[in-house]
Amino acid sequence: SQQGEEDPQALSIQEGENATMNCSYKTSINNLQWYRQNSGRGLVHLILIRSNEREKHSGRLRVTLDTSKKSSSLLITASRAADTASYFCATDNQAGTALIFGKGTTLSVSS
Amino acid sequence: NAGVTQTPKFQVLKTGQSMTLQCAQDMNHNSMYWYRQDPGMGLRLIYYSASEGTTDKGEVPNGYNVSRLNKREFSLRLESAAPSQTSVYFCASSTQTQGALAPLHFGNGTRLTVT
Repeated sequence: SQQGEEDPQALSIQEGENATMNCSYKTSINNLQWYRQNSGRGLVHLILIRSNEREKHSGRLRVTLDTSKKSSSLLITASRAADTASYFCATDNQAGTALIFGKGTTLSVSS
Repeated sequence: NAGVTQTPKFQVLKTGQSMTLQCAQDMNHNSMYWYRQDPGMGLRLIYYSASEGTTDKGEVPNGYNVSRLNKREFSLRLESAAPSQTSVYFCASSTQTQGALAPLHFGNGTRLTVT
């Protein structure tokens, strides 16, 4: 079964607004990763947060991790139309040898 | 660098036909993966190879076989295609640092239709 579950499934916002996506997972992890997928393309890595980290920033992206709640959030600030994509969280399997993905959040940013 | 290259980009098969999806990476990564993506299901892991010479089943291995030909190449074979295998297939590669997986690098996918 899938390890991570994103919420919401779909999100529509206006340019300039912030977008927040959440991810919950089931078992302990080494790290949690977020990916973006533009329509018809492969996934692109955005950010990795280790289990001993609570927050990480990369440009307009902010990721938080709460291991006690087994949850993570991805915040995109000042959204742009180019941020329109699907976003996935992923955690390692129990052996730490493969990534298991959630079903993703589809973000639409309109101008 | 090309990164991860998948061939073919598109393929249409009839039920019962066989085919092999090819994947090659030029980043000297140890680990390679095959995922399938279906609408509303996200990515599901089919098979993976944590290192050259090893392969392991993922979440949905039934109906597939894999071969880790060398460190660069990891192929996925459908022996007898079924309509349920209509999907987009992604290959990815990675390495391990400090006992945890580094970010995956993905190819652009193979869009397979089985009629």
